[in-house]
Amino acid sequence: NAGVTQTPKFQVLKTGQSMTLQCAQDMNHEYMSWYRQDPGMGLRLIHYSVGAGITDQGEVPNGYNVSRSTTEDFPLRLLSAAPSQTSVYFCASSTDRGPGETQYFGPGTRLLVL
Amino acid sequence: AQSVSQHNHHVILSEAASLELGCNYSYGGTVNLFWYVQYPGQHLQLLLKYFSGDPLVKGIKGFEAEFIKSKFSFNLRKPSVQWSDTAEYFCAAAGGAGNKLTFGGGTRVLVKP
Repeated sequence: NAGVTQTPKFQVLKTGQSMTLQCAQDMNHEYMSWYRQDPGMGLRLIHYSVGAGITDQGEVPNGYNVSRSTTEDFPLRLLSAAPSQTSVYFCASSTDRGPGETQYFGPGTRLLVL
Repeated sequence: AQSVSQHNHHVILSEAASLELGCNYSYGGTVNLFWYVQYPGQHLQLLLKYFSGDPLVKGIKGFEAEFIKSKFSFNLRKPSVQWSDTAEYFCAAAGGAGNKLTFGGGTRVLVKP
């Protein structure tokens, strides 16, 4: 199993550009989520999904869109990049049996918005 | 609102020293608590978790954590650290419906050889 994979590893954008961060998992997990990691602030939840066709907002959703057309994939779209979106982005997945489940994280995407 | 706070942003210690990282949470109802670790250049991985039963939880690599409900705390401990324990440590909590995790701000630990 590859686990949770993310592409790209690094990306530089100019303000106003759009892009999609890819996330895929091969563990047949129902629950997938996106976090951003900023120094001193830990990880903050952007969006999450409890299954194909179902998504919801997390703590910091503004400026980001998600969709979940398959169980495996959960892409994150930046509509119009801003310097405040410079961060490291992590995708995670788990089974959806409840809040005690371990989440498995991808390797992260480091994004710089100029 | 649910929140998790970690007391120290940076900790520096020598090999063989004891480590204790503080974590406090604010949650209504039943809570599940986690410690995740991020080694340099790697992604987050689970160190240990608590959701019921014995409040003293043992995890991988000699780490343990104690859930003290009356203090809303879930401190992480290791009796004797190694250089390879250099990492950033995150306390997290989940509760209620769904798997949403709320993370603390993280503690960077540097172990000097």
